[in-house]
Amino acid sequence: NAGVTQTPKFQVLKTGQSMTLQCAQDMNHNSMYWYRQDPGMGLRLIYYSASEGTTDKGEVPNGYNVSRLNKREFSLRLESAAPSQTSVYFCASKMGRGRNIQYFGAGTRLSVL
Amino acid sequence: DQQVKQNSPSLSVQEGRISILNCDYTNSMFDYFLWYKKYPAEGPTFLISISSIKDKNEDGRFTVFLNKSAKHLSLHIVPSQPGDSAVYFCAASDMGGSRLTFGEGTQLTVNP
Repeated sequence: NAGVTQTPKFQVLKTGQSMTLQCAQDMNHNSMYWYRQDPGMGLRLIYYSASEGTTDKGEVPNGYNVSRLNKREFSLRLESAAPSQTSVYFCASKMGRGRNIQYFGAGTRLSVL
Repeated sequence: DQQVKQNSPSLSVQEGRISILNCDYTNSMFDYFLWYKKYPAEGPTFLISISSIKDKNEDGRFTVFLNKSAKHLSLHIVPSQPGDSAVYFCAASDMGGSRLTFGEGTQLTVNP
């Protein structure tokens, strides 16, 4: 049982390049999330999708876009990467109802030079 | 505005002793609290949670305590083991909310 799968695991970009981080879950969860983790700042919510067909901004959405492709997949796009977007990115998912326990992928470590 | 705060960036304890990790929150609408554990190069994994109708929840060596009046929760690990060395995040959500708000994390090191 794979859970939440993120690709790629590592990426190096030059300033101004674009890329898409992929996330897929096989737990039939309704809600999916994108976070970034920076030293001393915990996990900050970028965007989330409470259910298929909906997306909402989180705490730090600027510079990012998302697509909820279907129930399983939720992608995060950086249109023009900046050094401030160097971070570790985590995708998470949870059931739509019940306790708010989110399950995380292993992360994508992104460096923007 | 940091609504969930973990004031200790790091904690070091001896194997076999108790580890106590603390977390404070400011939003009185929060009513469900969680602790996650994170090893290097892995994603956070759910450890234990507590709802605001309780003041204590136990799961094996892990116990979470909630003091609603002080807006404070703590995670006790007894006895601590070297494999418990990780970053611990506390998180909070409000009733029916789909978002979690995380603290900054505390690096726990358990020395053999």
